[in-house]
Amino acid sequence: AQRVTQPEKLLSVFKGAPVELKCNYSYSGSPELFWYVQYSRQRLQLLLRHISRESIKGFTADLNKGETSFHLKKPFAQEEDSAMYYCALFGGYNKLIFGAGTRLAVHP
Amino acid sequence: DGGITQSPKYLFRKEGQNVTLSCEQNLNHDAMYWYRQDPGQGLRLIYYSQIVNDFQKGDIAEGYSVSREKKESFPLTVTSAQKNPTAFYLCASSIVPGNEQFFGPGTRLTVL
Repeated sequence: AQRVTQPEKLLSVFKGAPVELKCNYSYSGSPELFWYVQYSRQRLQLLLRHISRESIKGFTADLNKGETSFHLKKPFAQEEDSAMYYCALFGGYNKLIFGAGTRLAVHP
Repeated sequence: DGGITQSPKYLFRKEGQNVTLSCEQNLNHDAMYWYRQDPGQGLRLIYYSQIVNDFQKGDIAEGYSVSREKKESFPLTVTSAQKNPTAFYLCASSIVPGNEQFFGPGTRLTVL
């Protein structure tokens, strides 16, 4: 079964602290993975995808096929990073499967 | 921020009524999607369409219907058969399936 698991509903950190939002997936083929972000009062938007290997707004994510993980990391959190983050898997049947989301709260 | 629009922003419905949510895109995207967003459950796929005049059920299609008569439009009807329709509904499009999805601002439906 194709599944995306984000184990933390809420991650609360102080400004300047490192951040790691966890994402694990279940998929038998070669996955395509994404992180989407939803800032307050804004649309859901793509943050990054693993095939592009980019760093967006200081965030990076590495696909670990052995651990079936795609954790999102940032070395120093900023208050403007506070948002809802969704990990998503593009598996078979042309569908994007989303995790339940993690709310990141960065405190001053 | 244009590109993909949804209307109305808020919608109230009495039990037993069907309602239709609008989704329009001017991005010339082939694929369009409808999701339902509930607290703590992420986004769940209701229906998707890869091309005009074709659509497939997603994971929670029961009580919903769609049409794709035009490339730019993918309306969603929430029927009276949907047992728990109060939710936030998101429409998205992508140039082809598997590419980045662009999301609309959403419609919040409340059943009174």
